[in-house]
Amino acid sequence: SQQGEEDPQALSIQEGENATMNCSYKTSINNLQWYRQNSGRGLVHLILIRSNEREKHSGRLRVTLDTSKKSSSLLITASRAADTASYFCATEAGGFKTIFGAGTRLFVKA
Amino acid sequence: GAVVSQHPSRVICKSGTSVKIECRSLDFQATTMFWYRQFPKQSLMLMATSNEGSKATYEQGVEKDKFLINHASLTLSTLTVTSAHPEDSSFYICSAGGGAGNTEAFFGQGTRLTVV
Repeated sequence: SQQGEEDPQALSIQEGENATMNCSYKTSINNLQWYRQNSGRGLVHLILIRSNEREKHSGRLRVTLDTSKKSSSLLITASRAADTASYFCATEAGGFKTIFGAGTRLFVKA
Repeated sequence: GAVVSQHPSRVICKSGTSVKIECRSLDFQATTMFWYRQFPKQSLMLMATSNEGSKATYEQGVEKDKFLINHASLTLSTLTVTSAHPEDSSFYICSAGGGAGNTEAFFGQGTRLTVV
């Protein structure tokens, strides 16, 4: 079963622009993670944010978490063509069980 | 982070045969392992949860007799797709949780299964 919804389902932007993806989930969580997946490939772990954290940065990535709204966002700044991929949020509510959102397909045009 | 190795990365098998996928935690003891399936352009769907030494717990709609899961040791879980059909062609990925100090699960590289 999927825990959350992501929007937009698909996003097309120009290189250099920022991309924002949102994720909502249903139950209380221990942490939320964002992953990238290139077509036909495995998962690349981007960032983990714990339930007691509100914002984390990693390079061009910024993740926010609002536990009161059960939502998270991933911001990619100054996007590059190489950022073209599917992005998934995933929540862990205990026992290491990770549930994925539906994903956002990002296309960055050069 | 901890390392989880999945093998094989790609496999092609004939309809009606069985195929086994291995998931190993290389540097920690995984008390719990999970198996996911991903169809093209879709998200990863949890298939089952396996705890070392006990029977796996399957998600609704997943046939336990078709997808056999064995978690015989703290570092190895296997998923066997029995009597494979072309509809079973998918990307299968495992994750493992446990070990001292680990607070999240770690994912294997995934296995691309093609049934012809």
